Amino acid sequence: AQSVTQLGSHVSVSEGALVLLRCNYSSSVPPYLFWYVQYPNQGLQLLLKYTTGATLVKGINGFEAEFKKSETSFHLTKPSAHMSDAAEYFCAVSNTGNQFYFGTGTSLTVIP
Amino acid sequence: DADVTQTPRNRITKTGKRIMLECSQTKGHDRMYWYRQDPGLGLRLIYYSFDVKDINKGEISDGYSVSRQAQAKFSLSLESAIPNQTALYFCATSDPEELPTDTQYFGPGTRLTVL
Repeated sequence: AQSVTQLGSHVSVSEGALVLLRCNYSSSVPPYLFWYVQYPNQGLQLLLKYTTGATLVKGINGFEAEFKKSETSFHLTKPSAHMSDAAEYFCAVSNTGNQFYFGTGTSLTVIP
Repeated sequence: DADVTQTPRNRITKTGKRIMLECSQTKGHDRMYWYRQDPGLGLRLIYYSFDVKDINKGEISDGYSVSRQAQAKFSLSLESAIPNQTALYFCATSDPEELPTDTQYFGPGTRLTVL
């Protein structure tokens, strides 16, 4: 069975500060891991994904995430928050290619 | 033009009414999905289809049905809508050539309100 836990349903950061959104997963086999972003009134857009190989994955808009197998984590970071980063972020896991499992989401607020 | 489109984008209906939500895609993907999103619950899978002849129930299929009319079209029906089906509904596609990751590509969503 697979599951995804996102710690913190709401995160606030100041503009220019580090963004850290946490994601932990459980999976019986090596997972494929994803981060999606949802801007207001829009669908989900793929930010980045981890499949195999390098554990540090770079995505769009300056975001990156690191797969840490020992910690079963895939936290999303961005060195310097921008106002346009305000959105909801979803972590997801897949392993068989049959179903995705999403976390409950983290709403990011960027304070000017 | 968007690769995955959903109609309608917003719908308000009454309890007991039959509702159909439509999804079309131009990505040429075989796999299509319907999810619902509720605050604090994330996205949950309702139904998925790996090709025109293949339909599978997801996590929360009760109260819903689907029809895969063609590779590009996947409709979700609520036979008799109830208020707890008020939610944001998303259609998604994935490309089997991207297996095993099965990356999902989403439409813009349909906001459904059942009064």
